[in-house]
Amino acid sequence: GDSVTQMEGPVTLSEEAFLTINCTYTATGYPSLFWYVQYPGEGLQLLLKATKADDKGSNKGFEATYRKETTSFHLEKGSVQVSDSAVYFCALSSVNRDDKIIFGKGTRLHILP
Amino acid sequence: EPEVTQTPSHQVTQMGQEVILRCVPISNHLYFYWYRQILGQKVEFLVSFYNNEISEKSEIFDDQFSVERPDGSNFTLKIRSTKLEDSAMYFCASRREGRLNEKLFFGSGTQLSVL
Repeated sequence: GDSVTQMEGPVTLSEEAFLTINCTYTATGYPSLFWYVQYPGEGLQLLLKATKADDKGSNKGFEATYRKETTSFHLEKGSVQVSDSAVYFCALSSVNRDDKIIFGKGTRLHILP
Repeated sequence: EPEVTQTPSHQVTQMGQEVILRCVPISNHLYFYWYRQILGQKVEFLVSFYNNEISEKSEIFDDQFSVERPDGSNFTLKIRSTKLEDSAMYFCASRREGRLNEKLFFGSGTQLSVL
């Protein structure tokens, strides 16, 4: 079945460092891809999404590009801030059932001042 | 931005007891969901609900689970006789329409601990 694999955490970086969180997926057809973020004490929030190959989703300085050839959707940010500390979830949904979102395990990110 | 509200944030119960997890979706939303995350594992889909009936459920959502929208504002998940393996973070979600890529809003979760 469809699945998402993302890098294990926790990831600890210093402020202003470059961030990459790897995500690969397995799916039939052409799923939509998402990154969700969960800040401490809050719900899951959609961070960015891409709905077709070569699309780039971006928000709050984060970017991810839908790579069909490598079935990947890696999350990147050029210069992280302490406020980016959170758990990040890669996810997908199939074209016909996009409300049934399939998540990865999540990657906890700690940013040190 | 509008929020999905879940109560309580933490629930501790004894094995075999019934629990009800409560959610207040965003007021004009029509589609409702429950997901859960067992510690260290993936966030898993449990059930979707529309027009006062279940539209889809996963294999996890067995006869011990039920959902209800009792009063037009709340959306509840009931576990009839809890098991140790039901311990997890339970997330409620809602969205306004069923259109492709319509944004899904999540609550902050209820951490259920079954002892």
